[in-house]
Amino acid sequence: GAVVSQHPSWVICKSGTSVKIECRSLDFQATTMFWYRQFPKQSLMLMATSNEGSKATYEQGVEKDKFLINHASLTLSTLTVTSAHPEDSSFYICSARETRGTGNSPLHFGNGTRLTVT
Amino acid sequence: GQNIDQPTEMTATEGAIVQINCTYQTSGFNGLFWYQQHAGEAPTFLSYNVLDGLEEKGRFSSFLSRSKGYSYLLLKELQMKDSASYLCAVRDSNYQLIWGAGTKLIIKP
Repeated sequence: GAVVSQHPSWVICKSGTSVKIECRSLDFQATTMFWYRQFPKQSLMLMATSNEGSKATYEQGVEKDKFLINHASLTLSTLTVTSAHPEDSSFYICSARETRGTGNSPLHFGNGTRLTVT
Repeated sequence: GQNIDQPTEMTATEGAIVQINCTYQTSGFNGLFWYQQHAGEAPTFLSYNVLDGLEEKGRFSSFLSRSKGYSYLLLKELQMKDSASYLCAVRDSNYQLIWGAGTKLIIKP
């Protein structure tokens, strides 16, 4: 089945520093990838839609200058949390849908990245 | 607005059957998904319904009634490893996924 690899699994960083999270589709091409954030005991919150070769589409309330998204190839999207603050501590999850799939193809999720900002 | 409702938490006994309900109100409908999420892990895909009726996949089945805006996930022969959160998600007319808050299922021996 389709596999999405996300790295790192967890990261601890100091306030003010930046953290990059990678999301790769290992055995399929993904024109579009999605970045979610999940706080404890809450559901997934879509942050942005990453489009290969073009700018990401951010959800309302998500700062595009703080959460930089790059989707340089059909198999890789990166999310960089810039100038991280403790309130950015969360579980970040990427997902992708196969390019050749229909609009109703399920999303395949990476394993998530637990970010803790001290 | 768009809304997905699921019970917050359910408890069931190992070996038994449990039904997790999901009701939705969305702008358009292009399919309903069920995902399983263990604590600290990312969601994994369980089932997809776009037409009315029951879809069976091993111990798990999912039902959809579009006219009622209703779905359920049925888990049979419950195992301890089924303890997890179950997320209902609906794809709306813009093909955006609207997520429910999830139902935490606790399995007791």
